[in-house]
Amino acid sequence: QQQVKQSPQSLIVQKGGISIINCAYENTAFDYFPWYQQFPGKGPALLIAIRPDVSEKKEGRFTISFNKSAKQFSLHIMDSQPGDSATYFCAASSSLSGGYNKLIFGAGTRLAVHP
Amino acid sequence: DAGVIQSPRHEVTEMGQEVTLRCKPISGHDYLFWYRQTMMRGLELLIYFNNNVPIDDSGMPEDRFSAKMPNASFSTLKIQPSEPRDSAVYFCASSPGGGATDTQYFGPGTRLTVL
Repeated sequence: QQQVKQSPQSLIVQKGGISIINCAYENTAFDYFPWYQQFPGKGPALLIAIRPDVSEKKEGRFTISFNKSAKQFSLHIMDSQPGDSATYFCAASSSLSGGYNKLIFGAGTRLAVHP
Repeated sequence: DAGVIQSPRHEVTEMGQEVTLRCKPISGHDYLFWYRQTMMRGLELLIYFNNNVPIDDSGMPEDRFSAKMPNASFSTLKIQPSEPRDSAVYFCASSPGGGATDTQYFGPGTRLTVL
């Protein structure tokens, strides 16, 4: 129930292409879905996040699409650039857990954008 | 702000030795988290503190692991005795609060290798 499943494990995209990373969850109590970006040798950093009351959130070239009925959400990177090459983690948390909202992370997707 | 500071960045030790990892959270942040990242298990939450008090240590793998936060600006994660399976990247993160939209800010991590 706590697991967040992420796919694909790795992804290669040409410069200018669209990168799509998918996540699925089981726990219907999850109500916050952030994506973290991690560059080699660095810690993860928040990229973009969404609440389930909206189906899409866009920030620049990054878009989260959210499907509540399917319990799935995805990250789309438009016009992918070599500088986007990093590992991306989806995550989920529930405000119903009380106190701190524990983040459950997906396994990560290693994205390589080739010039 | 300098962000979350971790030391050392790399640690190589021999099995059986004591290892101490250090973290300085972002000033004013009330929550501090310790994570472990491995290829096999991804990002795992080990323990978190609220206002210097340990709240949830259910992720600490064994009694060999211990964490302290003697004040608001310093925390340690100790492994004694260390084992080769403890080899991983250990991240410290802090956040201003425990709400769903309170972003966790990660440090650069400590790469631990136990021979």
